[in-house]
Amino acid sequence: QSALTQPRSVSGSPGQSVTISCTGTSSDVGGYNYLSWYQQHPGKAPKLMIYDVTKRPSGVPDRFSGSKSGNTASLTISGLQTEDEADYYCCSHSDTYTLALFGGGTKLTVL
Amino acid sequence: EVQLVESGGGLVQPGGSLRLSCAASGFNFGSYWMSWIRQAPGKGLEWAANINEDGSQKKYVDSVKGRFTISRDNAKNSLHLQMNSLRVEDTAVYYCARSGYSRIEYWGQGILVTVSS
Repeated sequence: QSALTQPRSVSGSPGQSVTISCTGTSSDVGGYNYLSWYQQHPGKAPKLMIYDVTKRPSGVPDRFSGSKSGNTASLTISGLQTEDEADYYCCSHSDTYTLALFGGGTKLTVL
Repeated sequence: EVQLVESGGGLVQPGGSLRLSCAASGFNFGSYWMSWIRQAPGKGLEWAANINEDGSQKKYVDSVKGRFTISRDNAKNSLHLQMNSLRVEDTAVYYCARSGYSRIEYWGQGILVTVSS
């Protein structure tokens, strides 16, 4: 099954803001608000950062925010910190596939 | 504190079988959907299977249908994945996960399954 489309890499300097996009179709990203974002450091399990497009689990800094417009969702990280360097994955409910779809992942480099 | 601990991984030949287990603690296990998510080496995430609270609903990604079976034992707070007819492309880290609606709330540390001759 097709993954959602994410840029392979993004970068930013400490203190700056970066935005990671996640593009799907009206059958997944555009049709539902069941869109989540995960952070994964090398060799570690992923961690839920955003769910239902804009909601943050307790303990996730408010520097992380989510949004959606049409078939594209976005994760914005403001006030970049070195520990934000990681891979980020989006995930969306899909009415085409049995299980939710993940994006291909984006590597964030903090320069 | 939610804890999910996987076991049962390892090296298996193509066509072989393996059974993964996940011991859950720190929450009311029988009240949540549970899932297995996998990640091939150097690749992205793939939602492999999930199961509802009482085990009456099970869903699988197309690539594992008919070969993998997800199950749970709520009395023992455990989740399982029986993997048969394993293929080289099933090689991955398998994560046990507590899932919400189309989201993963908590992840285990993962366990490596290697299918190779």
